[in-house]
This record gives sequence, structure tokens and C-alpha cells, in this order.
Amino acid sequence: GAVVSQHPSRVICKSGTSVKIECRSLDFQATTMFWYRQFPKQSLMLMATSNEGSKATYEQGVEKDKFLINHASLTLSTLTVTSAHPEDSSFYICSASIGGRNTIYFGEGSWLTVV
Amino acid sequence: AQKVTQAQTEISVVEKEDVTLDCVYETRDTTYYLFWYKQPPSGELVFLIRRNSFDEQNEISGRYSWNFQKSTSSFNFTITASQVVDSAVYFCALSEAERSGTASKLTFGTGTRLQVTL
Repeated sequence: GAVVSQHPSRVICKSGTSVKIECRSLDFQATTMFWYRQFPKQSLMLMATSNEGSKATYEQGVEKDKFLINHASLTLSTLTVTSAHPEDSSFYICSASIGGRNTIYFGEGSWLTVV
Repeated sequence: AQKVTQAQTEISVVEKEDVTLDCVYETRDTTYYLFWYKQPPSGELVFLIRRNSFDEQNEISGRYSWNFQKSTSSFNFTITASQVVDSAVYFCALSEAERSGTASKLTFGTGTRLQVTL
């Protein structure tokens, strides 16, 4: 079964609204989670590193005020796309790893469409 | 900085043919992990293999095999006797290793779209 669960799998929102995507680690604690974005027919690009109890670390070119990341517990990280625009339409996917292990677990991904 | 290059954008083969997907990587780390993922149209990433930089043994899993050549910084993936169900986008990825040995954030290649036809 999935060890990282992502919700929702698909979401359509109106331009200007905000949408939240959740990433949960199941049966393990994840002090660090990662958020990636994938535009159609492109590769996956790391957006940010989500750290439990502290601020997220954003990759260059990713607007931290637009993509709010909250990692309030050891099993949950959320990505909120604020004031969404059609160009934010993308596939968002999170990952988590278990400390000391070399395995990376991915969520199922979330398709965001902004209309 | 880490970099992963998948020079083949799209490959089309006829079922039962063998196909090799190339992956070349760049890193300054001495300890790192290499991955291959399959991404079907639904989007989820299907884990195929992970290789530690200290383990250069080639691996075979059913119709899949991987050739890790540290000397040329390559980690190629071969599908033997391809099937229509193998049609997907395949990503090669590189992860630095934290001191604890934990795999970390991934740098993905641009992906190779494989189309297997009857």
C-alpha cells in the first residue's frame, strides 16, 4: 500500500482563488518532505523542501509567498497555491524519506487546473 | 550542482524489441543514489530501481536490467522483449545522500517517452 498519500488527486479552481494540497506520510514520521512540480510533457522540478517545525526552503525562482508550505506535524505537509492563475496549472507531487534509509516515497500526485 | 541528462526524448519500438534508455549524470558527491522511475499517463511515479554509488553491480529484474558505469557516469536501463504496457515516460534521477545515509531531494532527467506498438 501507499506509504505517502496525497490529496486531492485532481482539483479545478477558479483563477484568483487558493487551493491546498496535502501530503501525508503513513506509518512513519517524515521530518522532511519535498514538493515537485511537473508541467505537461516536462520533467519534475523541485519546488521546495518542507521541514517540520520550521520554514520551508524554496528553490530558486519559486515564489514563497505564492506557494505556501506548512509542515506542522511529522506526518503532514501542505502546499497552498495562493491566488492561482492558469499558468499554475500543473502536476504537483510530494515525496518523503525515512531517516537513515535510502528509499524515497512519492505521493500519487495532484493535478491542478486553474480556470 | 547535480545534473541528469536523458538525451533520448522519445523512442518508438515494436513489441518484443529490446530497448535501452540512456542516462548520464553529473555530481560532485562521492556518495549518491541513482533511480529510475516509470510514469504512466495517470501521473504517479512507479519506482523501478535504486542504486547506491558504491554498488556498481548490474542488476536484472525480469525483463528489466540496469547497467551502472561509474567511469562514464552512466546508468542505462534496458527493457528486453518490450510490451505495449511498457509504454510510459521513464525518468532517471539522482539524489545526494545525507550523512545518515538518507536519500534526499531528487534531480530528475528530462525523461524519455517510450512508445511500444504492436
